[in-house]
Amino acid sequence: EAAVTQSPRSKVAVTGGKVTLSCHQTNNHDYMYWYRQDTGHGLRLIHYSYVADSTEKGDIPDGYKASRPSQENFSLILELASLSQTAVYFCASSDPGSNTGQLYFGEGSKLTVL
Amino acid sequence: GQQVKQSSPSLTVQEGGILILNCDYENDMFDYFAWYKKYPDNSPTLLISVRSNVDKREDGRFTVFLNKSGKHFSLHITASQPEDTAVYLCAAGEGQGGSAKLIFGEGTKLTVSS
Repeated sequence: EAAVTQSPRSKVAVTGGKVTLSCHQTNNHDYMYWYRQDTGHGLRLIHYSYVADSTEKGDIPDGYKASRPSQENFSLILELASLSQTAVYFCASSDPGSNTGQLYFGEGSKLTVL
Repeated sequence: GQQVKQSSPSLTVQEGGILILNCDYENDMFDYFAWYKKYPDNSPTLLISVRSNVDKREDGRFTVFLNKSGKHFSLHITASQPEDTAVYLCAAGEGQGGSAKLIFGEGTKLTVSS
């Protein structure tokens, strides 16, 4: 079954440390996204990608980098983690040719920065 | 500013009742509108979506109404059930299948009481 899987599912990081969140999809989708969820803010788009080896900035890209080495994989990198980056992060994929425009989300990665 | 905004952070309805969730957007170019449902500790899933060439789409107990001139769309749920208790996220986007760079609202927490 097609799926979007994220790793790690949960992580505790120290302020100033480097964090990498990984996402792998078997949907054969061209588009991939990273969102963060905070109470009162819904889902906010951090970075997205239309094709391998290319990434785009979303609405809140500061403090984050993204990498799309292949169609299946999309990583979110926090070079210097900060307290304000404590959140749940969701990866998603979509097919631009889809009739429904549906985003398929991963299970989420809960990041706590201490 | 918030491009997609939900007016109610939370709503409560009695089982069997009808409820309306509202969403306003700013970008005239948005031509794809969706509602996602999210249970606690789960990932969002698409509930219903509509493109700008129609002003209404119905799927069982769920109907989305689109008012483009008012930059507003809503989700109507009839015969509400306890399993409808969840967070509902509206979302809007433009072009390329609609799912590219989807912008989400803050979410409305719905509680259906029995």
